[in-house]
Amino acid sequence: NAGVTQTPKFRVLKTGQSMTLLCAQDMNHEYMYWYRQDPGMGLRLIHYSVGEGTTAKGEVPDGYNVSRLKKQNFLLGLESAAPSQTSVYFCASGRSGGDTQYFGPGTRLTVL
Amino acid sequence: KQEVTQIPAALSVPEGENLVLNCSFTDSAIYNLQWFRQDPGKGLTSLLLIQSSQREQTSGRLNASLDKSSGRSTLYIAASQPGDSATYLCAVDTGNQFYFGTGTSLTVIP
Repeated sequence: NAGVTQTPKFRVLKTGQSMTLLCAQDMNHEYMYWYRQDPGMGLRLIHYSVGEGTTAKGEVPDGYNVSRLKKQNFLLGLESAAPSQTSVYFCASGRSGGDTQYFGPGTRLTVL
Repeated sequence: KQEVTQIPAALSVPEGENLVLNCSFTDSAIYNLQWFRQDPGKGLTSLLLIQSSQREQTSGRLNASLDKSSGRSTLYIAASQPGDSATYLCAVDTGNQFYFGTGTSLTVIP
């Protein structure tokens, strides 16, 4: 039982490049979330999903897109990376909206 | 918009001391409040979840309280140990979204 895993762990991009971050969970959770963590800002919700095939915007969705084609996977895409998207990205999952969230180990992204 | 504040930002205590971490939030319309622990370079680990109808939750040496009307929660750590050194974050759930504080960085000195 791996819990929540994230791929890749580290990535360096140049401005304008695109990439996709993959989150996978093996706990059969309905809800999945993408956050970014920046110094002095705390974690902020980017997008979330309440079930397979659904997505919704969080607090800071601009510049990101997401997809939940399979229940166990939640993808975060950056179409044209900007230096302001340099951050640590965390994925989380939970059984329901009011339940405990389980976090992945994070992806450290640097955009030059 | 919900604002979550944690004070102090950093705290150092000698081993064995009892301590309290504080969390305040601006909108009392919450579903629950959760305390997390984050070790350097790692993800978050859930410590305690308090439903909005509850006043406190306990797990081992940890006790979390919630006063929804005043917008406050505290995390009490008894008999602190060096292994408790980490950043502690609180988060409030307003429905489908969690709002996080910026955390308290705790150092327990042996």
